[in-house]
Amino acid sequence: DADVTQTPRNRITKTGKRIMLECSQTKGHDRMYWYRQDPGLGLRLIYYSFDVKDINKGEISDGYSVSRQAQAKFSLSLESAIPNQTALYFCATSDPKLAGGEETQYFGPGTRLLVL
Amino acid sequence: AQKVTQAQTEISVVEKEDVTLDCVYETRDTTYYLFWYKQPPSGELVFLIRRNSFDEQNEISGRYSWNFQKSTSSFNFTITASQVVDSAVYFCALSEYYGGSQGNLIFGKGTKLSVKP
Repeated sequence: DADVTQTPRNRITKTGKRIMLECSQTKGHDRMYWYRQDPGLGLRLIYYSFDVKDINKGEISDGYSVSRQAQAKFSLSLESAIPNQTALYFCATSDPKLAGGEETQYFGPGTRLLVL
Repeated sequence: AQKVTQAQTEISVVEKEDVTLDCVYETRDTTYYLFWYKQPPSGELVFLIRRNSFDEQNEISGRYSWNFQKSTSSFNFTITASQVVDSAVYFCALSEYYGGSQGNLIFGKGTKLSVKP
């Protein structure tokens, strides 16, 4: 089984709808992240969480919210989806306690979201 | 401010050619980390390498090699004898270190490599 899973893998929704993307991990990592990827723009950070009680905004948090339900679960919500939120969304995990404090982020398979 | 520049948007080579993907970074910190990730056509992001700012030794892993030069703020990636399976988008990323912890990843915009048979 994959260490970092994302559901759904693909989603089509309409403008104004609320949608939730879910991320689960079995790596036991404390830190979790949500990114979006747009063609030609690389990956940009939306939100990140260093533990269940610590959630922080990233570079492009407007229009998004998150919930860290447990160490292993981190959900991203679009309260009212708009077409320019069409993108590929990635969840990632890391843990500074490993590898002598040098962190590496490991990514889930991604969720392709289309907002019509 | 930290920044990662991958000036090559797309590269196309013929199988068995060597190819170098460029990465130039900007940071004011003396301690930082550099990464390369691969995104094949299937879409997932695969971690390739992490390098800290105090280790300027070049690294080789099979057909892959990385050249880190602090003097030019570059962390270039070379694929030797390229294969069709190397076709992917490759991302370079930077993470600074402050407050006893690594900061968030800043990604370049990626280089799309196409290897033709």
